[in-house]
Amino acid sequence: GENVEQHPSTLSVQEGDSAVIKCTYSDSASNYFPWYKQELGKRPQLIIDIRSNVGEKKDQRIAVTLNKTAKHFSLHITETQPEDSAVYFCAARSSGYSTLTFGKGTMLLVSP
Amino acid sequence: DAGVIQSPRHEVTEMGQEVTLRCKPISGHDYLFWYRQTMMRGLELLIYFNNNVPIDDSGMPEDRFSAKMPNASFSTLKIQPSEPRDSAVYFCASSPIQGRNTQYFGPGTRLTVL
Repeated sequence: GENVEQHPSTLSVQEGDSAVIKCTYSDSASNYFPWYKQELGKRPQLIIDIRSNVGEKKDQRIAVTLNKTAKHFSLHITETQPEDSAVYFCAARSSGYSTLTFGKGTMLLVSP
Repeated sequence: DAGVIQSPRHEVTEMGQEVTLRCKPISGHDYLFWYRQTMMRGLELLIYFNNNVPIDDSGMPEDRFSAKMPNASFSTLKIQPSEPRDSAVYFCASSPIQGRNTQYFGPGTRLTVL
């Protein structure tokens, strides 16, 4: 089955800095890669996703890049704000399957 | 739309008791997923349904766990008997068939087994 590794497990940045979270996956047939944000005590919520036919996708301050050859994808947050503080999960879905395999999560702390 | 609804939001029970968690998916969604979240193991998929039929229950940890989906708007996850190591947050998520990549999570049930 699919295996997703996520790094780092914790990330501390100053407000206004950029943050990058990286994930690798094992199944070359995976074709969908969402990112979820989970605030303390809340549910995971989709913030951005990318499909295997696209190399990069942006939405305001967040962007995701995908390198299919290396089987890794990354989340980039620019101009971080304290409200970006949360746990971020990457996930991958193998072609032909309906399930997502999640990474272990990255706790992002943005200090004012 | 109210989103995915779960009840109860918090459950505290004693070891050996039966626990039933409930989920109402978003109307019109064909897929329903049950996850367990702990600090040590992260988000684990327990079981998922398509059109009320269980498709993959390989993530269910033990026979003490069972799940049903009697109709398109209701699912239950039951633990009998419960054990302290079952303490976790249990999430239900649903997704539509056409956009089945995107899963929408419920607020979760925080289960504590004493």
